[in-house]
Amino acid sequence: DAMVIQNPRYQVTQFGKPVTLSCSQTLNHNVMYWYQQKSSQAPKLLFHYYDKDFNNEADTPDNFQSRRPNTSFCFLDIRSPGLGDAAMYLCATSTSGGATDTQYFGPGTRLTVL
Amino acid sequence: GQNIDQPTEMTATEGAIVQINCTYQTSGFNGLFWYQQHAGEAPTFLSYNVLDGLEEKGRFSSFLSRSKGYSYLLLKELQMKDSASYLCAVRDSNYQLIWGAGTKLIIKP
Repeated sequence: DAMVIQNPRYQVTQFGKPVTLSCSQTLNHNVMYWYQQKSSQAPKLLFHYYDKDFNNEADTPDNFQSRRPNTSFCFLDIRSPGLGDAAMYLCATSTSGGATDTQYFGPGTRLTVL
Repeated sequence: GQNIDQPTEMTATEGAIVQINCTYQTSGFNGLFWYQQHAGEAPTFLSYNVLDGLEEKGRFSSFLSRSKGYSYLLLKELQMKDSASYLCAVRDSNYQLIWGAGTKLIIKP
């Protein structure tokens, strides 16, 4: 089945220790998104790629970086995690980012910062 | 600013009907989405409305009134597995998705 895969599902890191979350997709979608979602809050878009074109949200901290080496894979790097970065990180994909475009989500990675 | 409002929490009984409302104020409008999110899991797509009116899909229906900036999700014949958060999201004129914080729906036997 075509899908969005995130690894790991649960990640524990220490304060200030870099961590990388990964996302892969078999949908062959052009657009990939990274969201941060804290408990009982709306998903917050961090950045997205249209193909290799990177789009950073204005309020995304510099601590968060992303890479998309090819169509299928996208990575979220948190360079120096703080306690406030503990959250669910959701990867999503869509075909074109257009008006009728639906985003399909992976299962998420829950990040704990000790 | 852009804003999506939904009730924080609702409770309903198994077998009953529940309506979850969503009001929005956004810079332009290019469609409204409803997603279901079970606790600790990713959102899954339920419905998309871009024209006024009701879209029916099995037990779930979604309604849109663009002039009122209003939508609702109607869930019929509620089942215990429908216990989840329901997120409303609006695509604005820049094709950005603006998300609501979600409505936590609790189903009681």
